Amino acid sequence: SQQGEEDPQALSIQEGENATMNCSYKTSINNLQWYRQNSGRGLVHLILIRSNEREKHSGRLRVTLDTSKKSSSLLITASRAADTASYFCATDRTNDYKLSFGAGTTVTVRA
Amino acid sequence: NAGVTQTPKFRVLKTGQSMTLLCAQDMNHEYMYWYRQDPGMGLRLIHYSVGEGTTAKGEVPDGYNVSRLKKQNFLLGLESAAPSQTSVYFCASSSAGAGFYGYTFGSGTRLTVV
Repeated sequence: SQQGEEDPQALSIQEGENATMNCSYKTSINNLQWYRQNSGRGLVHLILIRSNEREKHSGRLRVTLDTSKKSSSLLITASRAADTASYFCATDRTNDYKLSFGAGTTVTVRA
Repeated sequence: NAGVTQTPKFRVLKTGQSMTLLCAQDMNHEYMYWYRQDPGMGLRLIHYSVGEGTTAKGEVPDGYNVSRLKKQNFLLGLESAAPSQTSVYFCASSSAGAGFYGYTFGSGTRLTVV
């Protein structure tokens, strides 16, 4: 069963705008990760946030984690056409490195 | 280039046929995984391995077998393919312990069973 659920399922924004997507999960986690998948390609790891962290940055990416609400958000600032992709959150529940993935958010950045 | 390599990239099988998908990684990762991706369902774990000679079942193991005879290779077998196994299959690998930073994925195998 899926541990994480992303919201919204799809998002369309103008180039230069910010994109925000959310992930909710059901059980306690050790860490939460975000991945990007371009059409027809494999998933690429973006960022990992541990359960004792609340916010993390990587370039134009900002991830927050609220363990009390069992939720995370991914913010992409100043979006570009190359950011068009599907984004997945994945949770590591038991520190055994088996990730559970959500169904993803499809982001389209319009030029 | 370092990474995870999957072969083949595409395959069409007839119902009842068998096949093996190969995954190879050159990063000396201990852990390897096989996932399937279906529309609207994200990725689901089929089998995984925590080291050479070990395998374990994931969320959806039925109809699949795996082997990890060498640390760098993880094979996924379909003994008797069914249309329900039409999917995109992804292999991934990771380090473990303090070095865990996430998965490295292969580019996928698109399998169609007719």
